[in-house]
Amino acid sequence: QKEVEQNSGPLSVPEGAIASLNCTYSDRGSQSFFWYRQYSGKSPELIMFIYSNGDKEDGRFTAQLNKASQYVSLLIRDSQPSDSATYLCAVNTGRRALTFGSGTRLQVQP
Amino acid sequence: DVKVTQSSRYLVKRTGEKVFLECVQDMDHENMFWYRQDPGLGLRLIYFSYDVKMKEKGDIPEGYSVSREKKERFSLILESASTNQTSMYLCASSLSWQPQHFGDGTRLSIL
Repeated sequence: QKEVEQNSGPLSVPEGAIASLNCTYSDRGSQSFFWYRQYSGKSPELIMFIYSNGDKEDGRFTAQLNKASQYVSLLIRDSQPSDSATYLCAVNTGRRALTFGSGTRLQVQP
Repeated sequence: DVKVTQSSRYLVKRTGEKVFLECVQDMDHENMFWYRQDPGLGLRLIYFSYDVKMKEKGDIPEGYSVSREKKERFSLILESASTNQTSMYLCASSLSWQPQHFGDGTRLSIL
């Protein structure tokens, strides 16, 4: 079983809709959770991080964490074509390095 | 803004060569990391360092070594390059348990 799992997609949503990206992790001791966005041919850039159960909002983005169910999600409201990218979920499992999922490719259709 | 600079965007080498990939960060971060990224496999950790001259193996250290002589610089070394080391290599740095920031990546081709 992979430590951090994501559906590879592509997830296709129309412009203006809400995109919902999900991630599950296996290590119950995980403390911090990160979402990175990666455009094709570029390096990952940090979008959000969350440490506590519940929701954390930043502009059009909301990260949701449920430690009991071991999942973390990212909601993108009012999706734009410029949001089309691969979204990587990353988890800190107790060491300083992160464990990454394989990413979900999001396509926002104009 | 955090700046993580990788020495080359594209690099072509031959099998058996010793290859050096350099990474420099300007934010006095104690942690530095090397990942490789391959289609369908995501980012995999090769090595990381949490202090000068300190290093720890990641998930796929075989065929690689690292060097950290100064806090701002972390080098990845392919001792004898092989074709299965053709990949995108990403360097990252972080302060304590804070989020990691990535460099632009080096696309390495081994012929």
